[in-house]
Formats: sequence, structure tokens, C-alpha cells
Amino acid sequence: GENVEQHPSTLSVQEGDSAVIKCTYSDSASNYFPWYKQELGKGPQLIIDIRSNVGEKKDQRIAVTLNKTAKHFSLHITETQPEDSAVYFCAASKRAAGNKLTFGGGTRVLVKP
Amino acid sequence: EAGVAQSPRYKIIEKRQSVAFWCNPISGHATLYWYQQILGQGPKLLIQFQNNGVVDDSQLPKDRFSAERLKGVDSTLKIQPAKLEDSAVYLCASSEVKNYGYTFGSGTRLTVV
Repeated sequence: GENVEQHPSTLSVQEGDSAVIKCTYSDSASNYFPWYKQELGKGPQLIIDIRSNVGEKKDQRIAVTLNKTAKHFSLHITETQPEDSAVYFCAASKRAAGNKLTFGGGTRVLVKP
Repeated sequence: EAGVAQSPRYKIIEKRQSVAFWCNPISGHATLYWYQQILGQGPKLLIQFQNNGVVDDSQLPKDRFSAERLKGVDSTLKIQPAKLEDSAVYLCASSEVKNYGYTFGSGTRLTVV
């Protein structure tokens, strides 16, 4: 089955700096790669996603890049703010598997004011 | 639109007791998922329903866990008997069949003592 590895496990950045989280996946048939943000006591919330026919997608301060050949994808957060502090999860799925999401282990991001 | 509703929010039980969790998905979402999230880890799929049929329950410990989705709407997840290692947050999510994206509920935090 699919295996998703996520790095780093923790990330501390100064407010205003950029944060980058990287994930690799094992199943070359995976074609959908979402990123979720989870705040304390809440369920994961989708913040951005990318499909395998696109190499990059941007939404305001967040962007995701996908390298299908290398089977890795990354989340980029620019101009970080204290409210970006949370745990971020990457995931992968494929339509053929019923859209079952396989998650990475998570990255705890702390934005220091 | 209303989100995914889960109850209870918290539950503390002794090992070998039984417990049940309830989920009401977003109206019109045919696909429903139960995930288990152990502290410090990414969510792991337990079971996936489409309408009231099971699509994937390969990761469900069937000797103690059971789930049903009556009439293709609400779902319950039961654990009987509970073990200490079942302590986790149980997340319910739903999605439309034609879309990849999930919406998660806030989860039920289970502590087995």
C-alpha cells in the first residue's frame, strides 16, 4: 500500500519568514495530494491540494509543488504569522482506491513573534 | 453548509469496557470515513463507506471494532472490549463521490485507563 513520509517533524520559524514542509510517497499511481492544518482540539482542515496533472498551485501565502518523477511534494508558507502555528499533514490518494487518504506523520510548526 | 458532526467530544473508559461514537456527515456526502489518530501521528483509515456499503475495512481490527452506516447517512463506530492502545482521537470525515476532498469532524478523544 501507499506510504507517505513527512519532514521535518517540528519546525520553528520567526514571524515573517518562510516555512517549507516536504513529503514523499511510494505509490506512483497516487494522483491527489492534499495538505491539512490541524489546530489543537480540532479535526484536520484542508488548506490546499494538488492533482498529479499540475506541478504547482498557489493560494495567497501558501503554495504546493509536486514532482511526480521523484514522487515528492512540498508545502510552502510565506510571510508566516502566529496563526499559522499548528500541525500540518500531507496526504496522498488515488481515485482507483476510493480516494482513501494516506497521511504523513505531521509537522508541528511554531511561528515565533 | 453544516460541517461533519461527531459526538461525544471526549470519553474516558476503563479497559475491557465498550464505547460507541457517532458521526453525522455533511448532507449529500455519499462517502464516509472513520480515521484513528494516535497522539503525535497522522490519521489512519479504519473504515470507508459509500452510501451504506463498506468500501474498505482492511485496517479495522474486526475482533473488537465494528461500524455501521444505516440508511447511508449517520454512522456509529463501536469498540468492544477496549484496550489501552485504543486511546486516540477518532475522526469522522465525509466527501462527495465525485470530489477528492474530505471534510473532517472535530473528533472524539478516547482515553482508555
